[in-house]
Amino acid sequence: ILNVEQSPQSLHVQEGDSTNFTCSFPSSNFYALHWYRWETAKSPEALFVMTLNGDEKKKGRISATLNTKEGYSYLYIKGSQPEDSATYLCAFNSGANNLFFGTGTRLTVIP
Amino acid sequence: ETGVTQTPRHLVMGMTNKKSLKCEQHLGHNAMYWYKQSAKKPLELMFVYSLEERVENNSVPSRFSPECPNSSHLFLHLHTLQPEDSALYLCASSPQKNYGYTFGSGTRLTVV
Repeated sequence: ILNVEQSPQSLHVQEGDSTNFTCSFPSSNFYALHWYRWETAKSPEALFVMTLNGDEKKKGRISATLNTKEGYSYLYIKGSQPEDSATYLCAFNSGANNLFFGTGTRLTVIP
Repeated sequence: ETGVTQTPRHLVMGMTNKKSLKCEQHLGHNAMYWYKQSAKKPLELMFVYSLEERVENNSVPSRFSPECPNSSHLFLHLHTLQPEDSALYLCASSPQKNYGYTFGSGTRLTVV
């Protein structure tokens, strides 16, 4: 079992604020890093799959960066909205192995 | 709906019961997975099926028994579970093993 850490565990921000959180993973045998958004009572929804060191991906107000050499990825949300409230999961894939998930960052955006 | 459907959404069962969880996908995916999420723990992989063959059993107790009759359907048969097996059970599928997961909404299982 590989260790995937996410921080912070939970976060409250005011509507309109920008925020970011971290996923750290083993820096060896890297294949891909996945980000998922999981709203309560719904399915986890894929946000990004990142494979290259230095990769930056963007989807609307959400973006992510990847540093495979030091083993971390940041997820940024610009101008948070109440509908961004969810748990954000990252998952590490070392190719032959399966996805190993972090425990997630639970984001609450206060109107 | 994501294209991966799980039933039932909620299940309460006694420790001597036998029940089954069902997962269905019509996305044309070749791999299907069962994950377990317990409170404050990461998603834990239980089983992986690729092209209807079980390719991984992640040290799961035999009281959990998966079945994949075809590439669109995956079952998890439950028998003599323990209260600590109460958790959210998520099914996922992907076009190929370990890439591009689509998740179902999960079954919230309570063992009493």
